[in-house]
Amino acid sequence: DAKTTQPPSMDCAEGRAANLPCNHSTISGNEYVYWYRQIHSQGPQYIIHGLKNNETNEMASLIITEDRKSSTLILPHATLRDTAVYYCIVGPGGKLIFGQGTELSVKP
Amino acid sequence: DAGVTQSPTHLIKTRGQQVTLRCSPKSGHDTVSWYQQALGQGPQFIFQYYEEEERQRGNFPDRFSGHQFPNYSSELNVNALLLGDSALYLCASSQLRDRGALAEAFFGQGTRLTVV
Repeated sequence: DAKTTQPPSMDCAEGRAANLPCNHSTISGNEYVYWYRQIHSQGPQYIIHGLKNNETNEMASLIITEDRKSSTLILPHATLRDTAVYYCIVGPGGKLIFGQGTELSVKP
Repeated sequence: DAGVTQSPTHLIKTRGQQVTLRCSPKSGHDTVSWYQQALGQGPQFIFQYYEEEERQRGNFPDRFSGHQFPNYSSELNVNALLLGDSALYLCASSQLRDRGALAEAFFGQGTRLTVV
C-alpha cells in the first residue's frame, strides 16, 4: 500500500476554509484516496474518497492532482466541531493503513 | 439504523487472561475489520472478515483471532493478554463492491481494553 505524508498539525479560523494536504507519490493505479477523521475518544469517521476525479459531498471536497501524487481535503466553512485528527489513507479499499494524520485545531 | 455497535465499551483484564470483543456491523454491510489503537497512535489493522472467512491480516500474532457469524457480526479474541495489548479496539464495517474495492468503512466507538 502506498505511504502518505501529512503535516502533523494545522490551525484554522472558525468560518474559514480548512485545506489539508496529503502527499502520496507512490500511489498505484488501483488505489483510492480516503479521508477519515477522529474526534477525541471516538471511532474514526469517514469523510470522502476518490480515485481520479475531484469529489464533493456534504462534508467536504477532495481535490486530487492530475498525476494523483497528492491531494487536498477542503472543509469549506470550518467549525469548532471540526477539530480532530484527519487521516489521509491510500489503498485498494481493503485494509486501511492509518498514519499519524494531521491534528486540525479550529479556533474562534 | 444503529450503525456499528461494539461491546463492551470498557474492559479490564489481567495479564495472561483471554478476552472476547464483539461487533455488530451497520445494516447492509457484509465485511468487518478490526483495528487496534494505542494511545496517541493511529489505528492499526488487525484483520478483516468477509463471508465468515479471514480475508486479510495485519502484522499481529496468532494470539489475535476472530470469527464472523452468518449474520455478519464478528468477534475478536485475544489470548494470553500482555500489558501491551492495552488499547482501544475498533470495529469497522463496510460493503464489498465490484473488483474487490470496498465502499467507505463505518467505525464503532470502540472497546477500551486495559490489561493490568
